[in-house]
Amino acid sequence: DTGVSQNPRHKITKRGQNVTFRCDPISEHNRLYWYRQTLGQGPEFLTYFQNEAQLEKSRLLSDRFSAERPKGSFSTLEIQRTEQGDSAMYLCASSPRVGNEKLFFGSGTQLSVL
Amino acid sequence: AQKVTQAQTEISVVEKEDVTLDCVYETRDTTYYLFWYKQPPSGELVFLIRRNSFDEQNEISGRYSWNFQKSTSSFNFTITASQVVDSAVYFCALSEAQDSSASKIIFGSGTRLSIRP
Repeated sequence: DTGVSQNPRHKITKRGQNVTFRCDPISEHNRLYWYRQTLGQGPEFLTYFQNEAQLEKSRLLSDRFSAERPKGSFSTLEIQRTEQGDSAMYLCASSPRVGNEKLFFGSGTQLSVL
Repeated sequence: AQKVTQAQTEISVVEKEDVTLDCVYETRDTTYYLFWYKQPPSGELVFLIRRNSFDEQNEISGRYSWNFQKSTSSFNFTITASQVVDSAVYFCALSEAQDSSASKIIFGSGTRLSIRP
């Protein structure tokens, strides 16, 4: 069990550029979640997958955000035409099975949009 | 809609003191789950406990204890004999269980706990 892995750890980009983050969940965890966390706030739900199916997406998520989990293993989160308000820590988490199991979090990707 | 409120933004105590972190939640569901997570300075969120809405028994794990009171919609967390290593941000969270395939966890804004030597 190597834990949830996220890459890159840090990303600095200019406004208007596209960015993509990757998350590798714990092996055989079929649920994968994306959260966003800004300074002084709790994690905010973005979306989650059960295997390759994206089951729910937050209404707060604009059309510039898209997530995929093509083979039910790793996932990518893409932000198009980044804005300064997108600056945050993007957290990935996974859980082992259906239901309200505990989440195992990665260390996150810190995005700074200049 | 579900909501989690952690009214205490920051708490600072001297080592060995007991400290209680408050959590109040709102949900329309009768079946739900409550969680506490710890986020140390390293940044990675660590699961501490999960409690379902049908189990109001308080729980103790070492120096940690949790008091779940459905009547007041509260799920408070107490650290006994605090230690410097307990310094972290603590998050209370809630998920509804209306449908096992449609759950997500909603977090409070966190309480930053500082333990002074």
